[in-house]
Amino acid sequence: DQQVKQNSPSLSVQEGRISILNCDYTNSMFDYFLWYKKYPAEGPTFLISISSIKDKNEDGRFTVFLNKSAKHLSLHIVPSQPGDSAVYFCAATIDSNYQLIWGAGTKLIIKP
Amino acid sequence: DTEVTQTPKHLVMGMTNKKSLKCEQHMGHRAMYWYKQKAKKPPELMFVYSYEKLSINESVPSRFSPECPNSSLLNLHLHALQPEDSALYLCASSQKAANTGELFFGEGSRLTVL
Repeated sequence: DQQVKQNSPSLSVQEGRISILNCDYTNSMFDYFLWYKKYPAEGPTFLISISSIKDKNEDGRFTVFLNKSAKHLSLHIVPSQPGDSAVYFCAATIDSNYQLIWGAGTKLIIKP
Repeated sequence: DTEVTQTPKHLVMGMTNKKSLKCEQHMGHRAMYWYKQKAKKPPELMFVYSYEKLSINESVPSRFSPECPNSSLLNLHLHALQPEDSALYLCASSQKAANTGELFFGEGSRLTVL
């Protein structure tokens, strides 16, 4: 049973436009939601997170929105840059456990 | 530059070999992790050490043996592996005892089992 779902395996966006990556979840007990970025043959890099008690968190070009009623999370990247091309993983934590529940990832391609 | 250092970056071993993967962090983090990642899949948690004690073992086969000599080092000893164990092995650390999910990952060790 996938508790964190990223339904789009890939997304292609023009440079300078907005990239929107989506994530759905099923467990209302999640404490934090996070986005990680991964380049090929490298470890994931933490990008941005949001507590379950918030609905928005912004850091530079990156904004994460949380809609608890819809159990939906999204990452907005504005403006998109070529270096943003990577796989983006949505993840969630629960009960102060050290586990991260990961989505399957979305490959973002920024076209010049 | 990553602040979590993993060695070696690449490792090829036969099924009868014994080898080790090493991980080091100097950020003063008190939790360290081993993850396994296959191509086009999310990372899978293997082990968690918290304050140098094993706190989570995700039912990993005994051919993988973790060791935490001190708060900065985490090793993964490998013995009698199978070809399906070929993957990217990622070490990570985290600062907070409560899990906010913010992990610092190393660049990984690419393991190939022949």
